[in-house]
Amino acid sequence: DTGVSQDPRHKITKRGQNVTFRCDPISEHNRLYWYRQTLGQGPEFLTYFQNEAQLEKSRLLSDRFSAERPKGSFSTLEIQRTEQGDSAMYLCASSRYNYEQYFGPGTRLTVT
Amino acid sequence: GENVEQHPSTLSVQEGDSAVIKCTYSDSASNYFPWYKQELGKGPQLIIDIRSNVGEKKDQRIAVTLNKTAKHFSLHITETQPEDSAVYFCAASIHNAGNMLTFGGGTRLMVKP
Repeated sequence: DTGVSQDPRHKITKRGQNVTFRCDPISEHNRLYWYRQTLGQGPEFLTYFQNEAQLEKSRLLSDRFSAERPKGSFSTLEIQRTEQGDSAMYLCASSRYNYEQYFGPGTRLTVT
Repeated sequence: GENVEQHPSTLSVQEGDSAVIKCTYSDSASNYFPWYKQELGKGPQLIIDIRSNVGEKKDQRIAVTLNKTAKHFSLHITETQPEDSAVYFCAASIHNAGNMLTFGGGTRLMVKP
């Protein structure tokens, strides 16, 4: 399967802990997007990369959120000092430039 | 920023009937409008999209229409089947300015056999 993959699929953590999620895009896609989806809502854009450059990060929810894509391939999203309100599905999507975005299966985060 | 409203939030139809989901957007600069289908526990799956230079697009049982003047677009599913049951999301973006998608709130479609 050559689709977008995300790891882990589920993460349970205690409040105050740091968590990191990984996204592997479709291999020829140079753009990678992160979204957050809370229960019963549509996905909400967080940040995106074109190759290794992070072109938009003003919509990251707070300074506890950060993302990297060091070699222009996979990306990581880190949340520091997690709070219960961070519980959500974190989705990654990739595309070739401005073309269609294809989503991965998501990482479901539960903060206890 | 862009705001996308989606209606209805739930839709129940009989197998074989048609289903229509409507969305409105606020930013007249938006020019790309995809639709995604999301099944339980899965990520959104792109099912059809339309760009602002086109008024209608069809793909088998699925069609999307766009009215730029009124800033609304709709998804039409004909001959619905039980496997069409899912949550459907519309989205809007400015295609050549990052293509960051703004999603509607979703429509839960239930197709009764």
